[in-house]
Amino acid sequence: QQPVQSPQAVILREGEDAVINCSSSKALYSVHWYRQKHGEAPVFLMILLKGGEQKGHDKISASFNEKKQQSSLYLTASQLSYSGTYFCGTVSGGSNYKLTFGKGTLLTVNP
Amino acid sequence: KAGVTQTPRYLIKTRGQQVTLSCSPISGHRSVSWYQQTPGQGLQFLFEYFSETQRNKGNFPGRFSGRQFSNSRSEMNVSTLELGDSALYLCASSHPRPGQGDSRSTDTQYFGPGTRLTVL
Repeated sequence: QQPVQSPQAVILREGEDAVINCSSSKALYSVHWYRQKHGEAPVFLMILLKGGEQKGHDKISASFNEKKQQSSLYLTASQLSYSGTYFCGTVSGGSNYKLTFGKGTLLTVNP
Repeated sequence: KAGVTQTPRYLIKTRGQQVTLSCSPISGHRSVSWYQQTPGQGLQFLFEYFSETQRNKGNFPGRFSGRQFSNSRSEMNVSTLELGDSALYLCASSHPRPGQGDSRSTDTQYFGPGTRLTVL
């Protein structure tokens, strides 16, 4: 089942912060975050594993709440280069590894 | 290391035709997954190949098929094209850890630039 991302779109001014959420109705093994710019391939940002860890990548970080089966991506002091569509991909229980993506969140950072 | 490559980048076909898309994974990667991306549905999983065997399959009709060669290169075929097949087709490669379950849940997938298919 496809994870649900919110919000669907967000517009920021440079320097502002944003949070993108990803929720699943299934028990998750891991959450994967990607960013895709228009006309380009999705680019891997980070993976979070069950256990509630939090990871960071420059000014982009994420957390994984295992109890809620929810992950949040935090973008702080946004830059113009952060613009793009952010996807979360989830891996659920079972022996088959399958990455299921949400519909994405369009982030626009304006000067 | 060279990234994932896909050919062709753009393709225009008419309804009823068939099409074959190609994907070359990152050197050393043995797993190739295919996705269909449309504005309405986002990224949807088609199938995954590992060591020339289909390991996972999404919810797509049998018109969508694939294969993987001994050098890990993969092809995807769509027969009897429909207008709704117009989409960006992405392939992603990964280097899975051996085993099942949890140990595979951390595999990072690296995407290619995609093939834009337009069905008229």
